[in-house]
Amino acid sequence: DILMTQSPSSLTVSAGEKVTMSCKSSQSLLASGNQNNYLAWHQQKPGRSPKMLIIWASTRVSGVPDRFIGSGSGTDFTLTINSVQAEDLAVYYCQQSYSAPFTFGSGTKLEIK
Amino acid sequence: QIQLVQSGPELKKPGETVKISCKASGYTFTDYSMHWVKQAPGKGLKWMGWINTETGEPTYADDFKGRFAFSLETSASTAYLQINNLKNEDTATYFCARNYGNFPCYWGQGTLVTVSA
Repeated sequence: DILMTQSPSSLTVSAGEKVTMSCKSSQSLLASGNQNNYLAWHQQKPGRSPKMLIIWASTRVSGVPDRFIGSGSGTDFTLTINSVQAEDLAVYYCQQSYSAPFTFGSGTKLEIK
Repeated sequence: QIQLVQSGPELKKPGETVKISCKASGYTFTDYSMHWVKQAPGKGLKWMGWINTETGEPTYADDFKGRFAFSLETSASTAYLQINNLKNEDTATYFCARNYGNFPCYWGQGTLVTVSA
């Protein structure tokens, strides 16, 4: 199974700040055929179901604000939130779908001061 | 718009069986596979597997082989998760989610299953 490691496990920032969180996979998620990285980011707000934010490591899902930016390739990935808003309070999970089982990271909990 | 509506919360005793439904609307049901994801209380997300809605073929993660079963009622655009011989550790919220690019993209609201004697 591919192991997904997220860091930090939690972080606290003030509204307006920039946030960066990391996701590392135990093997490359880059498919040689189509050059896609099989990595997604999901946001789960308290008491809510998850919502996909980013697919293919860097493509925002329709309707996701452009302050959310996914980057990286291979085994190292980053989710950046520019100018964090209070509504961004959530746990952020990365997930690979390169090979089954499609494992999730343990999550990064974002708290707002 | 795409919607996945799951059945309501369940309270079961150890050893019993539960069957959760996930009704899809807003798209052609058989065009996209359906994922199932477990979230134990206060814990992270765990991928259980998925079912090909065109062929009915399920794929289970290793931890969910044996007591867990995915099924379909295609005429009703509904996917099901059945858990047999319930154990305390099955207490969790279970999510269905429609596939896109091998990812769970559109999520149901979740169904809480509580197992308690």
